[in-house]
Amino acid sequence: DAGVTQSPTHLIKTRGQQVTLRCSPKSGHDTVSWYQQALGQGPQFIFQYYEEEERQRGNFPDRFSGHQFPNYSSELNVNALLLGDSALYLCASTDSYSEKLFFGSGTQLSVL
Amino acid sequence: GENVEQHPSTLSVQEGDSAVIKCTYSDSASNYFPWYKQELGKGPQLIIDIRSNVGEKKDQRIAVTLNKTAKHFSLHITETQPEDSAVYFCAASSNYQLIWGAGTKLIIKP
Repeated sequence: DAGVTQSPTHLIKTRGQQVTLRCSPKSGHDTVSWYQQALGQGPQFIFQYYEEEERQRGNFPDRFSGHQFPNYSSELNVNALLLGDSALYLCASTDSYSEKLFFGSGTQLSVL
Repeated sequence: GENVEQHPSTLSVQEGDSAVIKCTYSDSASNYFPWYKQELGKGPQLIIDIRSNVGEKKDQRIAVTLNKTAKHFSLHITETQPEDSAVYFCAASSNYQLIWGAGTKLIIKP
């Protein structure tokens, strides 16, 4: 049973560029959440997708947007990258009846 | 909004001893409190969780206690082993979002 998979594992971008990160949820899960984890800190909630719609959103600017596809996979898009966007981006999946999150290994984004 | 504080930031214990990590939360409406373990280069992994209608939960060497009145919850690891070395995060569910503590780096000394 494949767990949560994320791609790419590492990414280097320059300021002002745009980036797309991808996530495939664990089999049987229909809800995907995205988190940003800065070095030495706990994950910060970006948003959650369910039934292809954004269900909840954390305190992140509109530069952060997402999408969920009919197969429940998801993308995180970040526009106009800032140096401060450098972080580990984690995707977590669950089914709609549970609060137990299953995380992928993340995408390490470096903005130069 | 919800705020979760976690202590200590680093904990070093002798192999075989017990480790205790403590968290406090601010939102009395929070009702779900998971603990995650994160190893280097990996995403967080759920190790145990507790709901607000339960005071204590145990799973082999790991236990979590919750004091709703004081708004704090703790993770207890007994008979620590080298593979317990990792960063541990507590979290509290508020408004369907998980608010996380800053993490505790647990070091197991041989």
